[in-house]
Amino acid sequence: GAGVSQSPSNKVTEKGKDVELRCDPISGHTALYWYRQSLGQGLEFLIYFQGNSAPDKSGLPSDRFSAERTGGSVSTLTIQRTQQEDSAVYLCASSLNLGPGHEQYFGPGTRLTVT
Amino acid sequence: QKEVEQDPGPLSVPEGAIVSLNCTYSNSAFQYFMWYRQYSRKGPELLMYTYSSGNKEDGRFTAQVDKSSKYISLFIRDSQPSDSATYLCAMSFNAGKSTFGDGTTLTVKP
Repeated sequence: GAGVSQSPSNKVTEKGKDVELRCDPISGHTALYWYRQSLGQGLEFLIYFQGNSAPDKSGLPSDRFSAERTGGSVSTLTIQRTQQEDSAVYLCASSLNLGPGHEQYFGPGTRLTVT
Repeated sequence: QKEVEQDPGPLSVPEGAIVSLNCTYSNSAFQYFMWYRQYSRKGPELLMYTYSSGNKEDGRFTAQVDKSSKYISLFIRDSQPSDSATYLCAMSFNAGKSTFGDGTTLTVKP
């Protein structure tokens, strides 16, 4: 079946521009997560959604980052006024329900390069 | 200091070797412990999941958790070239957020 998909797969943008990254979770998965992975680093938690709600936004690095989820499905991560330190792979994951006992299925990521 | 520290690697072993991957952590509230495998330019995939202390075995993979020492390990027996990947430990104590180590890159040489 279809897994988690993310688009675009690669994005090169100029410093100061806004970017939108999209995540399509597995159908029926109520929980959705965003992570960031810098080169040679582990995953940095950004935000998670239960349905359309995001109870914990503490992982977002700055107020330039925002995320939304509509219809309990697709999610968009928006980075405004991009900076070079935003360059990383942005990974999305979904799970059937919220909770550490539920396996998170990851998408292939969006590789963002800010020049 | 990071909440989760992972042996940095890289690690290179001959085919058939036993591999040991390790993480330590500082937050005693962690209850759930995971190991992910990540191939180059792919998202991580869950390998093993353990709740609280103890051992869990799945084929050639064994996960160990020692909460008293705040130490977890993943053992790979009879390692294969297809096991070559980056291995990430992750931990959680509540719904939603997992804290990851930085990963150990493993190469298994034929």
